Amino acid sequence: DIQMTQSPSSLSASVGDRITITCRASQGIATYLSWYQKKPGSAPKLLIYGASTLHSGVPSRFSGRGSGTDFALTISSLQPEDFATYYCQESYGFLTFGGGTKLEIK
Amino acid sequence: QVTLRENGPALLKPTQILTLTCTFSGFSPNTRGMCVTWVRQPPGKALEWLALIDWGEGKFYNPSLMSRLTISKDSSKNQVVLRMANVDPADTGTYFCARVRTQTDYDWRGYLDSWGQGTLVTVSS
Repeated sequence: DIQMTQSPSSLSASVGDRITITCRASQGIATYLSWYQKKPGSAPKLLIYGASTLHSGVPSRFSGRGSGTDFALTISSLQPEDFATYYCQESYGFLTFGGGTKLEIK
Repeated sequence: QVTLRENGPALLKPTQILTLTCTFSGFSPNTRGMCVTWVRQPPGKALEWLALIDWGEGKFYNPSLMSRLTISKDSSKNQVVLRMANVDPADTGTYFCARVRTQTDYDWRGYLDSWGQGTLVTVSS
């Protein structure tokens, strides 16, 4: 089974900051990687698929990169509504999610 | 507009069978490239993929849970049902259904582009 490891597990940042979250797969997954945003009490939202394709309606401050085993999600200028938990998910094996990165306000 | 909505019991006792129904609209589950899947989130923990049914009735399960899971589809009702046998308090959490857009026309894997709001299930004696 493919394991997905996110880092950091939590992150404190301020509005306007640029942040990057990383996700590592235990084996190569090409670009079969998606990113989701999850807020308490709400459904997850798809941000990026195919490692770097922005889902419709997602602000351009979100971007993704990577292939093989190493991936990253960057938010270029944090907005108040971006504080949430972020998950990566591989779609090469059994749709395994990473452990999540909780982004908190500093 | 794609919508999905989960229904299920709020409370179950250990060893019982959990039956969850996902009712959706805005897409056909029989269209190649469209699948419906279930994901759960225990309190304070990460998302966990459970099961998926594809356009051709192909069924796929999380290997660690597959002995307890059954997924099925009623296209005439636009519903997908997930059954989980022999529930345990560790199965407590919010259960989501979602639409999957596959990466190719011949494989079930893809990204979850539309989600239901989720339904909270508690397993307790």
